Amino acid sequence: GQQVQQSPSSLVLQEGENAELQCNFSSTATQLQWFYQSPGGSLVSLLSNPSGTKHTGRLTSTTVTKERRSSLHISSSQTTDSGTYLCAIDISGSFNKLTFGAGTRLAVCP
Amino acid sequence: EAAVTQSPRNKVTVTGGNVTLSCRQTNSHNYMYWYRQDTGHGLRLIHYSYGAGNLQIGDVPDGYKATRTTQEDFFLLLELASPSQTSLYFCASRDTQTGREQYFGPGTRLTVL
Repeated sequence: GQQVQQSPSSLVLQEGENAELQCNFSSTATQLQWFYQSPGGSLVSLLSNPSGTKHTGRLTSTTVTKERRSSLHISSSQTTDSGTYLCAIDISGSFNKLTFGAGTRLAVCP
Repeated sequence: EAAVTQSPRNKVTVTGGNVTLSCRQTNSHNYMYWYRQDTGHGLRLIHYSYGAGNLQIGDVPDGYKATRTTQEDFFLLLELASPSQTSLYFCASRDTQTGREQYFGPGTRLTVL
């Protein structure tokens, strides 16, 4: 089965609403990274959060390592947040390889 | 933040063609990676390297060769391209001395007709 599962697969919001994206993984992860992929395809690292809670701007990530899950909270969504959010984990134990989920496609409407 | 560049940004070739995708990172990171991304999938690791002359096999290596000629340059080679290799290709780098994050290039869109 898939090692990294993201939910929901797609989400539509009105501007100003909050979003909660989930990432569940089947193996112990020594690294977890959230990425944003623009509609044009470019990939940007948002947060590196293998455990605990991290904030940057309107983004908050909470990872519970022993439960093998992470969430990404987007507050006060904007139309420019539209795109695909990818979760990736390192299960190699040596920080060498990332395994990606299929992503959550977010559309924020004005 | 690390600078990772890729060339070309777009490439169209025919079945059986020979293609080389280039990646350069300017921060002397030791690890470099090649991924492919297809609709419905996340990124999948093709090959990676931890230094000049080194090559490690990723999760989907079939049909691909790679070569790390310098600390900065990592190439992906498709010697007999097939339509199944039509994809969006990303290069990434990481510095094991300073952190665990991978930094990605802008991607190369390859179409094999």
